Amino acid sequence: QQQVKQSPQSLIVQKGGISIINCAYENTAFDYFPWYQQFPGKGPALLIAIRPDVSEKKEGRFTISFNKSAKQFSLHIMDSQPGDSATYFCAASILGSNYQLIWGAGTKLIIKP
Amino acid sequence: NAGVTQTPKFQVLKTGQSMTLQCAQDMNHEYMSWYRQDPGMGLRLIHYSVGAGITDQGEVPNGYNVSRSTTEDFPLRLLLAAPSQTSVYFCASSPSGREGRNEQFFGPGTRLTVL
Repeated sequence: QQQVKQSPQSLIVQKGGISIINCAYENTAFDYFPWYQQFPGKGPALLIAIRPDVSEKKEGRFTISFNKSAKQFSLHIMDSQPGDSATYFCAASILGSNYQLIWGAGTKLIIKP
Repeated sequence: NAGVTQTPKFQVLKTGQSMTLQCAQDMNHEYMSWYRQDPGMGLRLIHYSVGAGITDQGEVPNGYNVSRSTTEDFPLRLLLAAPSQTSVYFCASSPSGREGRNEQFFGPGTRLTVL
């Protein structure tokens, strides 16, 4: 019940296209859903996060869509650029809990020029 | 601010050797943690600390020790290195506060190979 399942494992998108990465969870107590971006040779960095009281959050070309009833959330990257090529991790946690994030397995995104 | 720093960047050990991976942060964060990252397995929590003098086990603690004597430092000790510990190790820290504690700031990682 603590798992966060992420798909796909890898994704190739043409420049200018839309990249979509999906995550699903079981624990209905989760109330914080961040996405982290990791470039090769670097540590992950927080990209965008959402709380379950909203269905969508947008920051620039990055959007999180959240479906509480389906227990799913997804990251959409609009107008994907080669600089977006990275590994993306979804995660979930309970705000105010013991700080622990439950991580998805990651998606390696390649944007072809 | 330097953020979260880790040393060394790379390390090669022989089976049975021990070593300490260093982690320091200058953001006065309460929470610090160690993860290992293996291909296809995402990030797995090894140990974490919610403040100086307080540590606890994560998902994969076996073979590792930690201590937290100061807010700034959180070293990870490998006791008897094994090839299964070959991985990339990340240290992370989080600020206090109900929302802030869930935003983790990561170091650049240590790539460890155990022969």
